[in-house]
Amino acid sequence: AQSVTQLGSHVSVSEGALVLLRCNYSSSVPPYLFWYVQYPNQGLQLLLKYTSAATLVKGINGFEAEFKKSETSFHLTKPSAHMSDAAEYFCAVSDRVGAQKLVFGQGTRLTINP
Amino acid sequence: DAGVIQSPRHEVTEMGQEVTLRCKPISGHNSLFWYRQTMMRGLELLIYFNNNVPIDDSGMPEDRFSAKMPNASFSTLKIQPSEPRDSAVYFCASNRGGGSYEQYFGPGTRLTVT
Repeated sequence: AQSVTQLGSHVSVSEGALVLLRCNYSSSVPPYLFWYVQYPNQGLQLLLKYTSAATLVKGINGFEAEFKKSETSFHLTKPSAHMSDAAEYFCAVSDRVGAQKLVFGQGTRLTINP
Repeated sequence: DAGVIQSPRHEVTEMGQEVTLRCKPISGHNSLFWYRQTMMRGLELLIYFNNNVPIDDSGMPEDRFSAKMPNASFSTLKIQPSEPRDSAVYFCASNRGGGSYEQYFGPGTRLTVT
C-alpha cells in the first residue's frame, strides 16, 4: 500500500522567507500526487496536483512543487511567505492506478512570523 | 458551481444518542468519501463509494458506524450509539472519476459528544 511521509509536523518561517514543506511517498508505480491546504475551521482545499505531465507543478497562491522520482519526493515551496499562508498542509498520493482513494500524510502546520 | 455540502455544520449530542451526518456531493461526481479528523489520529478515511456502491469500508471504526448512499446526490454517515471518543470533525469529499483523482472537500461537521 502507498504511504506518505511529511517531514516536520510544524514549520515556522518569517514573513517574506522561503517556505519549504517536505513530502516523501512510497510507490512502485508512477503516482498521482497532491498538496492540500486547510485553513482553520475549513475543509481541505486543493493547492496543486502532479499527474505525470511536467515535473514542476504550479498551484494557487504562488505555491509550486517538484516531482523527483529518484528521491520519491514532492516538496512544496513558495519563494516568499505571506501571513495568509498560515495553515495546515497535507500531501497525498493516489493509492494505486485505477483506484480513487488517496493516502494522506499527517500534515504540516505552517506558522508565519511577522 | 456549488461545492460539497455538509449538514449540520455543528452537532452537539449526549452519549448514547444517534447522530446522522449528511452530505451532498458535487453534481456529476461519482465517488464520495467520508473522513474523520482528530488531533490524535489526523485525517482518517472511513469509507468511500463509487457510483453509490461502497467500495472500501475498512476505515469504519466499529459497528456503531454506518454509511449509506441511496442516490448520486446524497449520503449519510450514522453513529448509533454515539460515544465521547467519536467527537471529531467529519468531512465528506467527492471526485468526478474518469481518471481524475483529486477530491473536493466539504466544510465539515464538527461533532461533540458529551
